[in-house]
Amino acid sequence: KAGVTQTPRYLIKTRGQQVTLSCSPISGHRSVSWYQQTPGQGLQFLFEYFSETQRNKGNFPGRFSGRQFSNSRSEMNVSTLELGDSALYLCASSPRTESYGYTFGSGTRLTVV
Amino acid sequence: GENVEQHPSTLSVQEGDSAVIKCTYSDSASNYFPWYKQELGKRPQLIIDIRSNVGEKKDQRIAVTLNKTAKHFSLHITETQPEDSAVYFCAALTQGGSEKLVFGKGTKLTVNP
Repeated sequence: KAGVTQTPRYLIKTRGQQVTLSCSPISGHRSVSWYQQTPGQGLQFLFEYFSETQRNKGNFPGRFSGRQFSNSRSEMNVSTLELGDSALYLCASSPRTESYGYTFGSGTRLTVV
Repeated sequence: GENVEQHPSTLSVQEGDSAVIKCTYSDSASNYFPWYKQELGKRPQLIIDIRSNVGEKKDQRIAVTLNKTAKHFSLHITETQPEDSAVYFCAALTQGGSEKLVFGKGTKLTVNP
């Protein structure tokens, strides 16, 4: 079955702009989590959506937001971009059942200039 | 807040040797502990996981052990091969307040031929 699909793979944006990233989970998975990966901080949890509801949120400013649609696809938005937002943004889907089984997408590499 | 410490940050071994990576977690209610392997430029891939009701799990050359009392878990790779070279991340599914996967900072494993 198809894996987790993230689009776009690469993005270059200017400070102050906003950006929207997309994540399509594995078919049947209702949970989508987002992570920011940087060399210094590793993988940091942004938020998780399950059945169109945000379940958890990490310690990121309000400029980072997300949503989930009825087909479980999720988007995350970053407004007023800062240089420090440059990172690899990964999403992971999970069936949220006994097996958990978080599967990651290939990520979106965001560069803010 | 919830925290996962991972050691060492870098590990270099000779082909055929064993490699051990250790993690400790802070949330005693954590009940699921996956390990991910991330090769350069690729997505993190789940290689093995363990639940809190199990002390050890093995899959071919890879094994994970869990000590709930001490709140630490370890990844053991035997008969290492050059293709095992990658960054390995441990994680714990925390329960306190909000359920989320918290990652260690990663271990860069290099297997020298």
